[in-house]
Amino acid sequence: GQQLNQSPQSMFIQEGEDVSMNCTSSSIFNTWLWYKQDPGEGPVLLIALYKAGELTSNGRLTAQFGITRKDSFLNISASIPSDVGIYFCAGHTNYGGSQGNLIFGKGTKLSVKP
Amino acid sequence: DTGVSQNPRHKITKRGQNVTFRCDPISEHNRLYWYRQTLGQGPEFLTYFQNEAQLEKSRLLSDRFSAERPKGSFSTLEIQRTEQGDSAMYLCASSLWQGGLFFGSGTQLSVL
Repeated sequence: GQQLNQSPQSMFIQEGEDVSMNCTSSSIFNTWLWYKQDPGEGPVLLIALYKAGELTSNGRLTAQFGITRKDSFLNISASIPSDVGIYFCAGHTNYGGSQGNLIFGKGTKLSVKP
Repeated sequence: DTGVSQNPRHKITKRGQNVTFRCDPISEHNRLYWYRQTLGQGPEFLTYFQNEAQLEKSRLLSDRFSAERPKGSFSTLEIQRTEQGDSAMYLCASSLWQGGLFFGSGTQLSVL
């Protein structure tokens, strides 16, 4: 089956720091999406990428669709306390004829440095 | 509120009982998806509809699970003869074609 490898699994942030996380796959993806999930809630769409090489920003967030179509990264600049949460990458692939299956990584958990 | 709406938010049931969840998608979205999420994992695809047609089902969707979207608007997910392993967050999402999925807040199921 298809898998997305998301890293790091967890990281600690201090307010004002920049944060970077990425997602890789052995297969080609047609779209890359980045979500944030707070406890007890559904994932919230942050950025959607539809073309290889595409670089898109949403406020302090920037994400890129890798040129090989097998990876994507998300950067958060000047982090603030409300950035804490779990970030998921997700992608659409037509593997095995699938048209609707959005595959998720296992998430990167952002916590505040003690 | 024009987002995806799911009911109930929480459901506690005894093993062997049947449960049904409802999802109301964003009104102009033609695709509706069901996902399941367990603690520490990303959401896992269960099934999706394009309008009223159920186009794809995951192997995770056992015979005890059935989803419907009778008029191409709201959808229901029923689990028959629940098992403790069914305990999870059940997420519904909707989209326009193969675009970004917009998720509801989920239904947290606990099977005792």
